[in-house]
Amino acid sequence: DGGITQSPKYLFRKEGQNVTLSCEQNLNHDAMYWYRQDPGQGLRLIYYSQIVNDFQKGDIAEGYSVSREKKESFPLTVTSAQKNPTAFYLCASRTDGNQPQHFGDGTRLSIL
Amino acid sequence: GENVEQHPSTLSVQEGDSAVIKCTYSDSASNYFPWYKQELGKGPQLIIDIRSNVGEKKDQRIAVTLNKTAKHFSLHITETQPEDSAVYFCAGVYNFNKFYFGSGTKLNVKP
Repeated sequence: DGGITQSPKYLFRKEGQNVTLSCEQNLNHDAMYWYRQDPGQGLRLIYYSQIVNDFQKGDIAEGYSVSREKKESFPLTVTSAQKNPTAFYLCASRTDGNQPQHFGDGTRLSIL
Repeated sequence: GENVEQHPSTLSVQEGDSAVIKCTYSDSASNYFPWYKQELGKGPQLIIDIRSNVGEKKDQRIAVTLNKTAKHFSLHITETQPEDSAVYFCAGVYNFNKFYFGSGTKLNVKP
């Protein structure tokens, strides 16, 4: 079945540590996105990539980094510079044109 | 950039009643408006969408209406069922790529 796989489902970060969240899709979509979701708030865009080897900052990119070396993969690194990383992180992808985004089931990141 | 406001933040209805969620957007260039349903611990799932050249779209118990002049769009769920309980998000799509989401509506359908 085609879809988006995020791993791990739960992740814990120690102070001063970088952690990487995985996002893989087998939908052959060109564009991929990372969102952060906090309780009572909508989805806020961290980074997005429209094509391999290219990505752009979203509205809240500070403290995060991404790479897009393969079409199917768009990992997100939460760096130690992100002082409030506790949140639910969602990855999405979409094909060209005015088409909807398809979401993974998220990774919940907490601070130890 | 775009700003999407969504109301109400919580909505409680009796099973069988209708539910309406409203969103307004700021950028008249937005031309695509999807609605997502998110269940606890899951990612959002697309339930219906509408493009700016259409005023209304229906899919069984779900409908979406769009008023471009007033820059608002609404989700209508008829004959609600307990399994409709979830958080619903609207979005406005700007520049064919960036999705701006509303803050979500928690719908509770009481049996």
